[in-house]
Amino acid sequence: AQSVTQLDSHVSVSEGTPVLLRCNYSSSYSPSLFWYVQHPNKGLQLLLKYTSAATLVKGINGFEAEFKKSETSFHLTKPSAHMSDAAEYFCVVSEPTGGGNKLTFGTGTQLKVEL
Amino acid sequence: EPEVTQTPSHQVTQMGQEVILRCVPISNHLYFYWYRQILGQKVEFLVSFYNNEISEKSEIFDDQFSVERPDGSNFTLKIRSTKLEDSAMYFCASTPMGGTDTQYFGPGTRLTVL
Repeated sequence: AQSVTQLDSHVSVSEGTPVLLRCNYSSSYSPSLFWYVQHPNKGLQLLLKYTSAATLVKGINGFEAEFKKSETSFHLTKPSAHMSDAAEYFCVVSEPTGGGNKLTFGTGTQLKVEL
Repeated sequence: EPEVTQTPSHQVTQMGQEVILRCVPISNHLYFYWYRQILGQKVEFLVSFYNNEISEKSEIFDDQFSVERPDGSNFTLKIRSTKLEDSAMYFCASTPMGGTDTQYFGPGTRLTVL
């Protein structure tokens, strides 16, 4: 079975400073990995997706993630945090099923952005 | 931009009652999913549905749960006899044809069982 581990349940940064949200994955084959974001009282929005085309993936709102097979990591970064980035972030791995695929979510990282 | 929609946004019910949560996936999508998120816990897969049948379900998805695509647009999750522990946010998701595995999520229905 595939799994993801988000290493920090809470991360706090100052506005304008870099963001690093850490994720490690476990997969028996080349995985599809995602980062989703959930703002308060909102649904899950796709930030970015890795599917082996390129190890550095760019997403929306200035976020990017780098797939490192040797470290089994898929950390999410942003050079400069904005107040609107405060939300919960989920690292997700996809596993194919008989029809479609099944997503396995990490436990989430709550990002707080302070002035 | 097309979106997955879910109704109602919040449902309150008494323990033992039946509830139906409704979802309208994006129109050309072929694969449909339900997930739930108990307050303070991670999002969990419940079921996937393709070609009018369940393709995979988790151990959470017991006989109390059922899914249906009653027409060409709606996708429903029914809980026959709700329990307190069914209180959660339920998310519907869909995937287009063509093999991409990106799932597009609806805003969720918060189910509260009293």
